[in-house]
Amino acid sequence: SQELEQSPQSLIVQEGKNLTINCTSSKTLYGLYWYKQKYGEGLIFLMMLQKGGEEKSHEKITAKLDEKKQQSSLHITASQPSHAGIYLCGADNGGATNKLIFGTGTLLAVQP
Amino acid sequence: DTEVTQTPKHLVMGMTNKKSLKCEQHMGHRAMYWYKQKAKKPPELMFVYSYEKLSINESVPSRFSPECPNSSLLNLHLHALQPEDSALYLCASSPRQGLVDTQYFGPGTRLTVL
Repeated sequence: SQELEQSPQSLIVQEGKNLTINCTSSKTLYGLYWYKQKYGEGLIFLMMLQKGGEEKSHEKITAKLDEKKQQSSLHITASQPSHAGIYLCGADNGGATNKLIFGTGTLLAVQP
Repeated sequence: DTEVTQTPKHLVMGMTNKKSLKCEQHMGHRAMYWYKQKAKKPPELMFVYSYEKLSINESVPSRFSPECPNSSLLNLHLHALQPEDSALYLCASSPRQGLVDTQYFGPGTRLTVL
């Protein structure tokens, strides 16, 4: 079965600093999703990547899917306290059932 | 509008109680999902409905009973739960059940079983 490993597990950065979160898959990725979750709340969809080499940006967050389609990175520029939360990557399992599996999560804290 | 709503926000129940969780979306999505999330863990899929029919049951115990009365509504009926069932229950929907259809999540119901 497909597994998604995220690194780092947790991250504390000073406000204004840049940071990167990685998501590595044990199998080829057919669709890679990034979500953000505040503790105890629902998941907020950030962006979806499908093609190898694809890069998408929204405000100060950029996500990339590498050419071999087994790794994705999420980069936050000039972090703000509002960026704090748990970042989860999710991948379609490649079948026809749209079964979404999630990575292990990265907890981000931004210190003012 | 990408809103999925869930009620109640919090639920405390005893092991002999019967309760229901409700999820609603008005985006015209035809696939709806229930996930269970334990503390500090990622969400785990429980059930998938596609066009109001149960498509996936991830070997969930029968004390959890899903229902999809119409294309906008998804319920999860709870009966004789155990304390280890305490978790955040998340509902999601997507346009279809298929490759690369983004799932949109509700805010979740925090369930505590005493």
